[in-house]
Amino acid sequence: KAGVTQTPRYLIKTRGQQVTLSCSPISGHRSVSWYQQTPGQGLQFLFEYFSETQRNKGNFPGRFSGRQFSNSRSEMNVSTLELGDSALYLCASSSQGNEQFFGPGTRLTVL
Amino acid sequence: GEDVEQSLFLSVREGDSSVINCTYTDSSSTYLYWYKQEPGAGLQLLTYIFSNMDMKQDQRLTVLLNKKDKHLSLRIADTQTGDSAIYFCAEFTGGYNKLIFGAGTRLAVHP
Repeated sequence: KAGVTQTPRYLIKTRGQQVTLSCSPISGHRSVSWYQQTPGQGLQFLFEYFSETQRNKGNFPGRFSGRQFSNSRSEMNVSTLELGDSALYLCASSSQGNEQFFGPGTRLTVL
Repeated sequence: GEDVEQSLFLSVREGDSSVINCTYTDSSSTYLYWYKQEPGAGLQLLTYIFSNMDMKQDQRLTVLLNKKDKHLSLRIADTQTGDSAIYFCAEFTGGYNKLIFGAGTRLAVHP
């Protein structure tokens, strides 16, 4: 069974631009969560989707948004990028909530 | 409140056992996890334990849970150089469908 895939793996943007990251969960998994990892703040929860519905959202500004499609694939969008948005963005998929499997991440650099 | 704490660094000799400790604060946590992260990679799920268990063993890995003290530990037997990585402890709050991570423990294995 294929694992969680994230695209792109690396991204360089400039301040003020917007970016869209994609996550394909493990086949059959309906829950997708997003996390931001930075050296200063560590791993922080962004949001979680289940069957196209956002069930929970972390403490991030409205510039961070996401959605989930009917095939469970998810995208997250960050608008008006700031230097502090530079991070590794990780996606996790789960079927029952107990086993959360992570993808390799997308490393975003904002210049 | 939600808080997970880990020591930041552990150095062991190859062949010895490693013990990584973690404390958490949310008594409603349903599952507690250990993840491994190697440089430039995502998070690899090592093992997890349900909150009503005391111990779980999986090959070289042993997880001990003291629910009264909210203390979790991961023991790696016969530690190898390939075990060098950052290990994250995380609690899963089912009501919010999210993982709360510790800051990670960097394990260095030397000959």
